[in-house]
Amino acid sequence: DTGVSQDPRHKITKRGQNVTFRCDPISEHNRLYWYRQTLGQGPEFLTYFQNEAQLEKSRLLSDRFSAERPKGSFSTLEIQRTEQGDSAMYLCASSYRGQGIGYTFGSGTRLTVV
Amino acid sequence: KNQVEQSPQSLIILEGKNCTLQCNYTVSPFSNLRWYKQDTGRGPVSLTIMTFSENTKSNGRYTATLDADTKQSSLHITASQLSDSASYICVVKRGGSYIPTFGRGTSLIVHP
Repeated sequence: DTGVSQDPRHKITKRGQNVTFRCDPISEHNRLYWYRQTLGQGPEFLTYFQNEAQLEKSRLLSDRFSAERPKGSFSTLEIQRTEQGDSAMYLCASSYRGQGIGYTFGSGTRLTVV
Repeated sequence: KNQVEQSPQSLIILEGKNCTLQCNYTVSPFSNLRWYKQDTGRGPVSLTIMTFSENTKSNGRYTATLDADTKQSSLHITASQLSDSASYICVVKRGGSYIPTFGRGTSLIVHP
């Protein structure tokens, strides 16, 4: 296991299209987080899973954003009807309960909406 | 309001020089503080994590300090290298919350 994997690394889409990103966490990590990061800013929390349960989703930016972690392993983040303001880096992180804030981040997916 | 402020916003130094980055926070109750290094276009990588009882922690040429009384932390980089050019982000976790508070980061550029 080489860490948190995110796919794709880059995505260019036309405004109005739907996009889906995938995150594969470290296998023994039961917690998974999604963040969004725009240029010059720190990561902004979006949502959080413990195993397959989505325990926090109030920070998702709008109802166009949704996330799933169906079997408690990989997760997907979907953005429907993309807007230019959605252009950002989307980061996934995972951790194991009991290790405090032992986050391991993936390399992110860079989304550009044209 | 729980906030994390970092200074300076950006810093340019010559290779081989030392530098210190600052992080002030108002997050309460405090649980732990972590410094991350983020290369351009990559995800953040953890450098150090400090809990309430720790004052200093080193990771190679990186040394972090924490003053929980004044709610300040610093990251000192010794003998800088070109590969140190990155954004350095301070992250503070509040006790009882799984959503940490991120600073905006300090952009460090090391010139040869």
